[in-house]
Parts: sequence; C-alpha cells; structure tokens
Amino acid sequence: DTGVSQDPRHKITKRGQNVTFRCDPISEHNRLYWYRQTLGQGPEFLTYFQNEAQLEKSRLLSDRFSAERPKGSFSTLEIQRTEQGDSAMYLCASSPPGGAGTAFFGQGTRLTVV
Amino acid sequence: DAKTTQPTSMDCAEGRAANLPCNHSTISGNEYVYWYRQIHSQGPQYIIHGLKNNETNEMASLIITEDRKSSTLILPHATLRDTAVYYCIVRPAWGGSQGNLIFGKGTKLSVKP
Repeated sequence: DTGVSQDPRHKITKRGQNVTFRCDPISEHNRLYWYRQTLGQGPEFLTYFQNEAQLEKSRLLSDRFSAERPKGSFSTLEIQRTEQGDSAMYLCASSPPGGAGTAFFGQGTRLTVV
Repeated sequence: DAKTTQPTSMDCAEGRAANLPCNHSTISGNEYVYWYRQIHSQGPQYIIHGLKNNETNEMASLIITEDRKSSTLILPHATLRDTAVYYCIVRPAWGGSQGNLIFGKGTKLSVKP
C-alpha cells in the first residue's frame, strides 16, 4: 500500500501524559498536513510542512502541540500534558508538488484521553 | 471559517444520480472549488476540483455556475458505497493561505436501496 500511513491507529492515554503520533506521507509528496477532527465536525487544520519547513500553524495548535518533519519525509505530532479536550481523530495528509489542493489523507489516529 | 454553504443532509436512491449543491457566493477569482468526501471511519478522499469550467472524472462531475457563486457535484449512478459526508471547499490557487483546506460540516449523503 503506497498511501499515507499513520501510526498508531488508536491511542488511549491518561490525562497529563505525553503522546506522539507518526505520519508517513506518500513518497515524493513535498507537502504534509495535520488536521484534527471531533465527532460531527469537519477536519480542522493544525499545521503544514513543505519539505522540512513548517510554513503554517493554526491558532488551534497550542503550546502543548509540536510537529516536526526533520528530513522532509515522515512527520511526528506530539501533544504534551494531554487534556480530555484533546480527544479527537488526528489526520495526516500529503500532496504532490503542483497539486497542493489534492491532498491524500491517512486513516487517522484516534486519541482518547481518560 | 468555511466559505461555503451546503445542506446538512440528503438522501438518494441507489442507481439514481446524486446532485449535491454548494454555495460559495464570496468566491474570489483565483479560488478553485474542491470536493472531498469522507466515508465513516476513514480519512477524507479527494473527488474533483475546478475553477470555472465544468469538470468530469471517473468519480463525479462538477458543474460550476457562470458567475461561480455556486456549484453542484454529481454522482451519476449512486451506490451504497457512496454514502458519506461530502465537503465543498474553496481554496486559492496562489497567494493567501495555500497551506490548508478549510472544511465545513459538509453534506451527509445517504444512498438508500
């Protein structure tokens, strides 16, 4: 399967713990995006990378959130000191050069904070 | 905030055409119209996009009005597997915030046997 891969698919954590999610984009896609989705809502943009540069961050991305894409390939999203309000589906997407609007999404990581 | 307005839900009979409307009355000249769908428990899936001409691909057709203030996504022969939430999104081709797609709540399409 050469699609966008996210790991883990599900994560249950206790409030206050740190969690890290990984996203492997489609090979040679230069743009990578992170979104968050809660029940009944559309995906909300968090941040995006062009190659290794983080070019845009939403105001939703509080200081507890950090994303990296160190070599312009895979990306990680870390949430520190998780809160119950962080419970959501975290979606990663990638898009090819010249095709920024045609994003390919992964299956997401479902985070539950208890 | 999303710059589009879509009905909350629609039903369609299996085998019939599904016509999903979208209003984007404030669209700018450099903004494309994109359609995505999200099947339950999956990530969104790109369907089609257009600027001002009608577009067709293997999944759907996109009809954009001449004034570009609205569009319709057409699934010509809906199947049960087309049951999903459909999102209409406007996005600039250049300038502005190119980094993200802004999703609204979309239209929940239910295809019934």
